Amino acid sequence: AQSVTQLDSHVSVSEGTPVLLRCNYSSSYSPSLFWYVQHPNKGLQLLLKYTSAATLVKGINGFEAEFKKSETSFHLTKPSAHMSDAAEYFCVVSRNSGYSTLTFGKGTMLLVSP
Amino acid sequence: GAGVSQSPSNKVTEKGKDVELRCDPISGHTALYWYRQSLGQGLEFLIYFQGNSAPDKSGLPSDRFSAERTGGSVSTLTIQRTQQEDSAVYLCASSPRLAGVQRSADTQYFGPGTRLTVL
Repeated sequence: AQSVTQLDSHVSVSEGTPVLLRCNYSSSYSPSLFWYVQHPNKGLQLLLKYTSAATLVKGINGFEAEFKKSETSFHLTKPSAHMSDAAEYFCVVSRNSGYSTLTFGKGTMLLVSP
Repeated sequence: GAGVSQSPSNKVTEKGKDVELRCDPISGHTALYWYRQSLGQGLEFLIYFQGNSAPDKSGLPSDRFSAERTGGSVSTLTIQRTQQEDSAVYLCASSPRLAGVQRSADTQYFGPGTRLTVL
């Protein structure tokens, strides 16, 4: 069994300040972890993926996430927010082998103010 | 290259009618998934196709929901006798099957979705 908890439903930041979106997971087996972003009326876009290689994963648009097994966390960060980062972000867990259905968190809406 | 495409982008229907939603996966991708995104339930897995294997239907919410994949490519999700609680965005995703031993989950690439509204 697997599950994901995104600790904040909404996060508000000012442009140019750091972003932290929190995610904790639970999995009975070695997980793959993903962050997806969804802009309004758009499909889901993959930001980054953890697959048991390096624990610090770099993604697109300056985002990165760190896998911490001891804390069962996979928080998403970005040093400096941009207005275009405003979107909904989903943390996702999957079994770490080939085919497996994705289990999504409830999502965190990131709001960026000028 | 072309991504996953879905049609229609929006569908409004009356309660009790049947609807068909279409998904065109990325060319060469052998795995295809359907998900549903609704306000109350978030994103939920519905069904999975892989090559010629029997589909994994474990996420379908009722027997009113069915899906098929013809020729290992295009997929159609059918909802019969639609209900208001079926209103949601239906997302399709595809992924390649990598050769050799896989030690990581497939990356799934999502289409833009079909927004279904049942009146």
